[in-house]
Amino acid sequence: NAGVTQTPKFQVLKTGQSMTLQCAQDMNHNSMYWYRQDPGMGLRLIYYSASEGTTDKGEVPNGYNVSRLNKREFSLRLESAAPSQTSVYFCASSEMAGRSEQYFGPGTRLTVT
Amino acid sequence: GNSVTQMEGPVTLSEEAFLTINCTYTATGYPSLFWYVQYPGEGLQLLLKATKADDKGSNKGFEATYRKETTSFHLEKGSVQVSDSAVYFCALSVTAAGNKLTFGGGTRVLVKP
Repeated sequence: NAGVTQTPKFQVLKTGQSMTLQCAQDMNHNSMYWYRQDPGMGLRLIYYSASEGTTDKGEVPNGYNVSRLNKREFSLRLESAAPSQTSVYFCASSEMAGRSEQYFGPGTRLTVT
Repeated sequence: GNSVTQMEGPVTLSEEAFLTINCTYTATGYPSLFWYVQYPGEGLQLLLKATKADDKGSNKGFEATYRKETTSFHLEKGSVQVSDSAVYFCALSVTAAGNKLTFGGGTRVLVKP
């Protein structure tokens, strides 16, 4: 099993450009999450999807949108990238929202210039 | 709200030394507690967890005990190896908060041969 996969691994954007980060899991998990990781700040939750068809804001949702395309896939979109969104982005999944053992993808390193 | 505080790194040790990483938390409700590990260039992996007071989580020689009276969940390993070099994150989740994880800032550990 691949677990949680993310594409791309690296991306450089100019301010104002848009892009979508892709995430897929093959563990038949119900819940999926997007985090950003910044130095010294741990991981902060951007958005999550407790189950297919639902999405909710996390701690830092501003500037992002998400789509739970189906049970496997959960994408994160930056409509107009800003330098403050330079970060490492992680997708994660868990069996259900009531089980907090989350499985993480390898991350996407995004730089906005 | 919920928060996790862990000691800042980096922590530099020699092989076979004893490792302790302190973690304390504040939570509204009864949290489950976790330690995640991030090896260089990878996503986070669950290392161990504890779901109620006085539980001890253990894995790969690491241990942590859920101490409700001191709101702590310190990570320990008796004899570290170079392969333990990584960033360690303490985290909690509370059912009332939808079981979303709240992370500490991470502690980088470097083990030298």
